[in-house]
Amino acid sequence: AQTVTQSQPEMSVQEAETVTLSCTYDTSESDYYLFWYKQPPSRQMILVIRQEAYKQQNATENRFSVNFQKAAKSFSLKISDSQLGDAAMYFCAYRSPYSGGGADGLTFGKGTHLIIQP
Amino acid sequence: NAGVTQTPKFQVLKTGQSMTLQCAQDMNHEYMSWYRQDPGMGLRLIHYSVGAGITDQGEVPNGYNVSRSTTEDFPLRLLSAAPSQTSVYFCASSYSRGEQYFGPGTRLTVT
Repeated sequence: AQTVTQSQPEMSVQEAETVTLSCTYDTSESDYYLFWYKQPPSRQMILVIRQEAYKQQNATENRFSVNFQKAAKSFSLKISDSQLGDAAMYFCAYRSPYSGGGADGLTFGKGTHLIIQP
Repeated sequence: NAGVTQTPKFQVLKTGQSMTLQCAQDMNHEYMSWYRQDPGMGLRLIHYSVGAGITDQGEVPNGYNVSRSTTEDFPLRLLSAAPSQTSVYFCASSYSRGEQYFGPGTRLTVT
């Protein structure tokens, strides 16, 4: 079974600065998907960014980018020009491309609470 | 296009009661899943479905039952509620192997 580890329970950053959230995962599969989800106090789960393992290029969505290191099984999220609205829980998630045996769903890390200091 | 909807938003049950959490999606997604979120934890998969009539267990299925008679709906049944089932429940759907889209969640308290 796959596991996802987020080693930073909480991070704090000044508004307008850059912050990086860490995520590592364990898998024996060669093809898979990785995601970062944001959960603000409203508790809605919002997709921030996705990465497909077969793609070597790191995904980017506006101020959000990832550093995907497949050999190291690392998938960090960089938030540039942090804004007050970025304050939330951030979850790293893994999805297998295969179905069956409980595999057809997301495996989540425990999350990182991001605080934005004005 | 409402996306993924869940009802109710909040629910309080007594131990031993049963109830059904409703989930519906209007995106014609084949895949639907139920997760629970407990304090300090990420979301954990309860049950999932890869299409109408097909369901399977996830990581924490005990005490829950699902069925999928239509593409749109995927209800989650609590057979005999226990305090350990106090949690926030999320329903999600997707087209295939990619990202899942989540409903707003149901906060359930079992006393």
